[in-house]
Order: sequence, then structure tokens, then C-alpha cells
Amino acid sequence: AQKVTQAQTEISVVEKEDVTLDCVYETRDTTYYLFWYKQPPSGELVFLIRRNSFDEQNEISGRYSWNFQKSTSSFNFTITASQVVDSAVYFCALSESSYKLIFGSGTRLLVRP
Amino acid sequence: DTGVSQNPRHKITKRGQNVTFRCDPISEHNRLYWYRQTLGQGPEFLTYFQNEAQLEKSRLLSDRFSAERPKGSFSTLEIQRTEQGDSAMYLCASSLVRGIYNEQFFGPGTRLTVL
Repeated sequence: AQKVTQAQTEISVVEKEDVTLDCVYETRDTTYYLFWYKQPPSGELVFLIRRNSFDEQNEISGRYSWNFQKSTSSFNFTITASQVVDSAVYFCALSESSYKLIFGSGTRLLVRP
Repeated sequence: DTGVSQNPRHKITKRGQNVTFRCDPISEHNRLYWYRQTLGQGPEFLTYFQNEAQLEKSRLLSDRFSAERPKGSFSTLEIQRTEQGDSAMYLCASSLVRGIYNEQFFGPGTRLTVL
């Protein structure tokens, strides 16, 4: 069965700290896709990254980086030098096919000045 | 703005009333999805369309729910005889099928409150 677990409900950090958001997934398929979305207070989900199951290369985009490890079924997200504007709810999601997304319950990140 | 749009943004209704939401996807996108998000939870898949064909419906979509995409462009989601448990944010997303995968782009959502 498909499942995404985000065990961290809320994280609070002080600005400029690094923070890692954890994501663990379950799937029986060998081909699947993993995503991270950001939901700021305005409510609109913003796509951040997609990763294919056959590409375990880690990715860095500015202050954002993602660590994909199939051996532990994890797809963790790190924000370096956090900023107040990073405050949002972050969702990890899984798709085993080319359509529906299965989301985790989200991690609320609060970055304090 | 050429993103996904949803109307209305907020809807307050009384239990037992019918409500209808509209989603306008990104113009060239051929897939359209509906999700529901309750407080403190991630979005849950409801249904999706490829052009005008509804290809999958979640078990969450009871008989009181119906979705259409009549001309493969905008979509409507109707809830009949609303219940308090229907209170949630209803999210629409669209994507362009290209290659193996397609990114879904979300609209701002319609927040439904059933009194």
C-alpha cells in the first residue's frame, strides 16, 4: 500500500539555522515518484521538487537540498540558513503512477527572527 | 495570471444545501485533479480527468459528490445535501501529460464551511 509519513508535526527554528524535514514512504512499486510541496499561510500549494525512483542523486537548489535514500525509503528536505519567509507547511508526496498524489500529513515550519 | 483558478474562494452553507465549485486549469493542461484537505492534514485525492473523461474516483467521493469536465476545459465539483463533515478545503490541480510524468500545479482552493 502507498503511504507517506512525516513524523515531525511542527518544527521551530531561529533564522539562519539549518533545518531538515523528514519523509518516509511505503510503496510496493519499483517505479514511483516523490515530491515536496510548500503551503504558505496563503494556502496555495507550491511545487518544489520531483524525484524519480530510479534517480537517487541528491539535489541542491539554492538553500534547498534533498536527500533521497531508497535503502531507508526516505526523501528528506533540508533548508540551509533558514529565513522567516520559509515559514510554511511542507508536504511530502508519493505517486506510483502518472496521476494521483499521496500526501503526508505535513510538517509545519516556523522560522523565528 | 495563467495559473489554476478556483471559484469561489470561500463558501459558507447550511447543512443540507447543495454547493458547486469551479476550477479553471492552466489552459494547455489536459489533466485535472480534485483533492480535499481537512485541517492539519495533507490533501487527499478525490478524482481526476483526462480531457473530459473522468478516469478515477476515490472511495472518499460518496454518492453526494459529482464532478464534471464537460468540454475538457474547466471542471465543476458539486456536493449535494452537504454535511458538517464536508467542511474542508477543496483543491484543484492540473497537469500536462508529457513523457513519463507530469507536475501537478495547484489552485488556491475553495474553503467550504458547513454550518
